[in-house]
Amino acid sequence: KAGVTQTPRYLIKTRGQQVTLSCSPISGHRSVSWYQQTPGQGLQFLFEYFSETQRNKGNFPGRFSGRQFSNSRSEMNVSTLELGDSALYLCASSLAGSGNTIYFGEGSWLTVV
Amino acid sequence: GDSVTQMEGPVTLSEEAFLTINCTYTATGYPSLFWYVQYPGEGLQLLLKATKADDKGSNKGFEATYRKETTSFHLEKGSVQVSDSAVYFCALSGSDSNSGYALNFGKGTSLLVTP
Repeated sequence: KAGVTQTPRYLIKTRGQQVTLSCSPISGHRSVSWYQQTPGQGLQFLFEYFSETQRNKGNFPGRFSGRQFSNSRSEMNVSTLELGDSALYLCASSLAGSGNTIYFGEGSWLTVV
Repeated sequence: GDSVTQMEGPVTLSEEAFLTINCTYTATGYPSLFWYVQYPGEGLQLLLKATKADDKGSNKGFEATYRKETTSFHLEKGSVQVSDSAVYFCALSGSDSNSGYALNFGKGTSLLVTP
């Protein structure tokens, strides 16, 4: 079965712009979460959605937002981009129970110039 | 709050050497523990997991045992191959539904295996 699919894979944006990243979870998975990976900070949790509701949120500014649709697909948006937002953004999906495996997509590489 | 500490890299080993990557955690309750691997330019792949104390996760020759008494989940492999060169992440997921099952990652350990 298809894995977690993220689009676009690579993008370059200018400071001050905004960006929207998309994620399609594994079929049947209702939980979608997002992570930011940078060389300095490592892997950091952004937020998690379950049944179109944000269930958990990491320690990121309000410029980072997300949403989940009724088909479980998710998008995340970053407004007013800063150079420090350059990172690999990883989407993950799971069945959403304790101990369930969280599966990751290949990620979206964002470069802010 | 929950946290994961894993040994700093990079780790360089010769092919067929024994591998250990240490991982310890701090968490309330009974978290689930995971090892993920990331190959260059790729996302994260689950390597193995354990959901309760004394569980042993294993996959592709890698093993890790959930030790509640020492709050550890060390990764081991008896004989590494060049193809094992990657970054390895230890992670935990809380047992409280209020936390939304977010993964809390260690910093990652880079492994380089030379022929």
